[in-house]
Amino acid sequence: GDSVTQMEGPVTLSEEAFLTINCTYTATGYPSLFWYVQYPGEGLQLLLKATKADDKGSNKGFEATYRKETTSFHLEKGSVQVSDSAVYFCALGPNYGGSQGNLIFGKGTKLSVKP
Amino acid sequence: EAGVTQFPSHSVIEKGQTVTLRCDPISGHDNLYWYRRVMGKEIKFLLHFVKESKQDESGMPNNRFLAERTGGTYSTLKVQPAELEDSGVYFCASSQSSRTEAFFGQGTRLTVV
Repeated sequence: GDSVTQMEGPVTLSEEAFLTINCTYTATGYPSLFWYVQYPGEGLQLLLKATKADDKGSNKGFEATYRKETTSFHLEKGSVQVSDSAVYFCALGPNYGGSQGNLIFGKGTKLSVKP
Repeated sequence: EAGVTQFPSHSVIEKGQTVTLRCDPISGHDNLYWYRRVMGKEIKFLLHFVKESKQDESGMPNNRFLAERTGGTYSTLKVQPAELEDSGVYFCASSQSSRTEAFFGQGTRLTVV
């Protein structure tokens, strides 16, 4: 069945460091891909998404490109801030046009950014 | 506009007891989803309502779990009787249609002791 694998955490970085959180997926067809973020004490928030191959999702300085050839959707940010400390979840949605709420999530990667 | 609201935020119950979690979706959102994250594991889909109807309940773990959405507004998820392995964070999400972004609540942390 469909699945998502993301790098194990926790990840600890210094402020202004470069961030990469790896995410790969297994799916049939053409799924949509998402990154969600959970800040301390808050619910999940959609960070960015991509609905087809080669699409790049971006938001708040974060980017991820839908790579069908490598079945990957790695999250990157050029310069992290303390306020980026959170848990990041990679998720896979049904084939394009399907339900955006029936998602398959990775285990989450906890990021801590030190000043 | 109020977001997705979940009650309670935390619940600690003994094994064998009953617990009811509540989710109030964003007003006007017909689609409502329940998810669960067991400690250290993935967030797993439980079920999907469209208005008051269960569209997909393939993720419900067993018959100790009962979800309802009477009137197509708020939803409840009852666990009866609770077992230790039911501990985790239960998330609710809602969306206007099945093809639009789902917004998540803060979750209910359930601890069964």
